[in-house]
Amino acid sequence: GAVVSQHPSRVICKSGTSVKIECRSLDFQATTMFWYRQFPKQSLMLMATSNEGSKATYEQGVEKDKFLINHASLTLSTLTVTSAHPEDSSFYICSATPLPGGAGYLAGYTFGSGTRLTVV
Amino acid sequence: AQTVTQSQPEMSVQEAETVTLSCTYDTSESNYYLFWYKQPPSRQMILVIRQEAYKQQNATENRFSVNFQKAAKSFSLKISDSQLGDTAMYFCAFMKHTGANSKLTFGKGITLSVRP
Repeated sequence: GAVVSQHPSRVICKSGTSVKIECRSLDFQATTMFWYRQFPKQSLMLMATSNEGSKATYEQGVEKDKFLINHASLTLSTLTVTSAHPEDSSFYICSATPLPGGAGYLAGYTFGSGTRLTVV
Repeated sequence: AQTVTQSQPEMSVQEAETVTLSCTYDTSESNYYLFWYKQPPSRQMILVIRQEAYKQQNATENRFSVNFQKAAKSFSLKISDSQLGDTAMYFCAFMKHTGANSKLTFGKGITLSVRP
């Protein structure tokens, strides 16, 4: 089945530094990946849609300059939290689905295991 | 825009019993998909079951089945023979049938606890 790998699983960084989170589709290609943020006991909040070879589409209220997304290949998207502050501490999750025609297409999105970011 | 409503924040069930989680949605789309995802304490999102709107037959996956009422825009999940490992947060989700870049719209989720 489709597997999405997300790294790191946990990261602690100092306030003012930047952190990069990687999301890889291991056994399929994905032109689109999604990045979510989740607070404890709450639902997933879509931050942005990552498009391979083009600019990401951000949801309303999400700062583009703070959450930089790069989707350089069909198997890798990265989220960089720039100049992180304690309020950016959260659980970040990515998801992807195979390309149309690929095995598992429209079967449901596969999610990475998430990254717990703590900014101190 | 689509909305997904899960009105029950928490439920509890005795091991081996059956529990039903409710979900309603609102959309003007005619062709779409509905999903139930499970998020256990590990926080890994796991697909439980999927339903295509054009299919009248309710989806089933082992102990998990849905009651899909398209006219009522209702999509409930029934868990039979509940197991301790079913303890998790469950999210109902909607997706338009427009291709690989279709977003998932999630409900607020429900925390299910299975009691031994």
